[in-house]
Amino acid sequence: DAGVTQSPTHLIKTRGQQVTLRCSPISGHKSVSWYQQVLGQGPQFIFQYYEKEERGRGNFPDRFSARQFPNYSSELNVNALLLGDSALYLCASSLGLAGTYEQYFGPGTRLTVT
Amino acid sequence: DAKTTQPPSMDCAEGRAANLPCNHSTISGNEYVYWYRQIHSQGPQYIIHGLKNNETNEMASLIITEDRKSSTLILPHATLRDTAVYYCIVRVAGGSQGNLIFGKGTKLSVKP
Repeated sequence: DAGVTQSPTHLIKTRGQQVTLRCSPISGHKSVSWYQQVLGQGPQFIFQYYEKEERGRGNFPDRFSARQFPNYSSELNVNALLLGDSALYLCASSLGLAGTYEQYFGPGTRLTVT
Repeated sequence: DAKTTQPPSMDCAEGRAANLPCNHSTISGNEYVYWYRQIHSQGPQYIIHGLKNNETNEMASLIITEDRKSSTLILPHATLRDTAVYYCIVRVAGGSQGNLIFGKGTKLSVKP
C-alpha cells in the first residue's frame, strides 16, 4: 500500500507570495496533521484535521490555513510568505484522532522562500 | 515545549546494541512514551510506544522505569541504516490532544 504522499517535493517562492502544499493520506486514514520543521529543529505541530474539521492548531499565525477534502486529502496554505517560513513541511496521517492512533509521516515538501 | 530530555548525540558500533535514554520526569498518568526516528531528509518514522510495561517489536525494545520518569529505547543490533535522529515524545492518549511535540532528539551515529 502507498504511504503518505506529498506534493510538490521542493519549491521556491519569493517573499510575499502564497503557497499551497498538498497531502494524500494512507488509504483508510481519516486524520491528517501538518508539521513545520526548520533546519536543526524537531517538527512543530501546525494543524490537525479529522473528518474534514479542524481538531487542533499549533502556535502559528493566521497566515497559515488548511483544509481537508471529502477524500481525506489535505492542503496547507501559507500567505504572505516570510523568509522564516523556509522549512520542511511534513504531513502525517492516522486512522483517527492523533491522540489515539500512530501518525505516519510523508517525505515532506521543502519550501525555500527567497 | 517538549516534556522530554535526551542527549544531543550518541555513537554506536555496528552490530552492537544502541541504548538511547530519555528523561520525562513530569509525565502524567495518561501519557504514553513514543519513539520516532528521522533519517536525513525523510519524514519521521514511528518506532514504538508504551505506557508503563516494557514493549518490544520488530524494530526495537522500550524499557520504561517503574516510576515512569525515564525510558530507554534499545536497538538490539544497530546497523549503518539506523543512523538517524531519534525523538522521545510523551503524548496524551485519546482525543485531540495527542499531537506530537518534538524536541531536538538524539542524533545516533552508527559506525562501522
